[in-house]
Amino acid sequence: DIVMTQSPDSLAVSLGERATINCKSSQSVLYSSNNKNYLAWYQQKPGQPPKLLIQWASTRESGVPDRFSGSGSGTDFTLTISSLQAEDVAVYYCHQYYGSFITFGQGTRLEIK
Amino acid sequence: QITLKESGPTLVKPTQTLTLTCTFSGFSLSTSGVGVGWIRQPPGKALEWLALIYWSDEKHHSPSLRSRLSITKDTSRNQVVLTMTNMDPADTATYYCAHRLRDTGGWHPLDYWGQGILVTVSS
Repeated sequence: DIVMTQSPDSLAVSLGERATINCKSSQSVLYSSNNKNYLAWYQQKPGQPPKLLIQWASTRESGVPDRFSGSGSGTDFTLTISSLQAEDVAVYYCHQYYGSFITFGQGTRLEIK
Repeated sequence: QITLKESGPTLVKPTQTLTLTCTFSGFSLSTSGVGVGWIRQPPGKALEWLALIYWSDEKHHSPSLRSRLSITKDTSRNQVVLTMTNMDPADTATYYCAHRLRDTGGWHPLDYWGQGILVTVSS
């Protein structure tokens, strides 16, 4: 299994400030067949299912605000929220999805400072 | 519009078998590239992938739970069924089903999710 490790486990950021969440995979999720990183980010609010924010490490889903951005390649990835809004309070998960043995990170809880 | 909904018992006893049904609309599991997966989340904990089934009837199960899991599809009824044997209190979790796609661009992540069903294992 590919193990996904996020850091930090929790994060408190002031409104309007930048939030950065890191994700490291135990092996590369960049596949040479199409030069794509099979890395996604989800946002989960209490009582709701996860919402897909970003796939291919940096491609935002339709309707996701542009303050959310993803970066990285290979084994190291970052989710950045450029200016934190109150509605961004949630748990964020990274997820590798190459093939059928998919795995998730342990989650990062984002709160307002 | 793609929607999925989980159904089944919300309380099971230890050692019993859990059977959950995912009923979906907006896509067909007879369409090439389409898949449906099951994922669970214990209260306050992380997501854990359980199983996937594809249009071709190809199936994959989490290695750590493979001996206890079974996934099947009923294409005509737009349903996917997950069975988990020998339930334990540690299996208490919200169980989700979700849609997945594989196309010429490669595999895609689980994109559409059901609301989930909380299953409690207790005597």
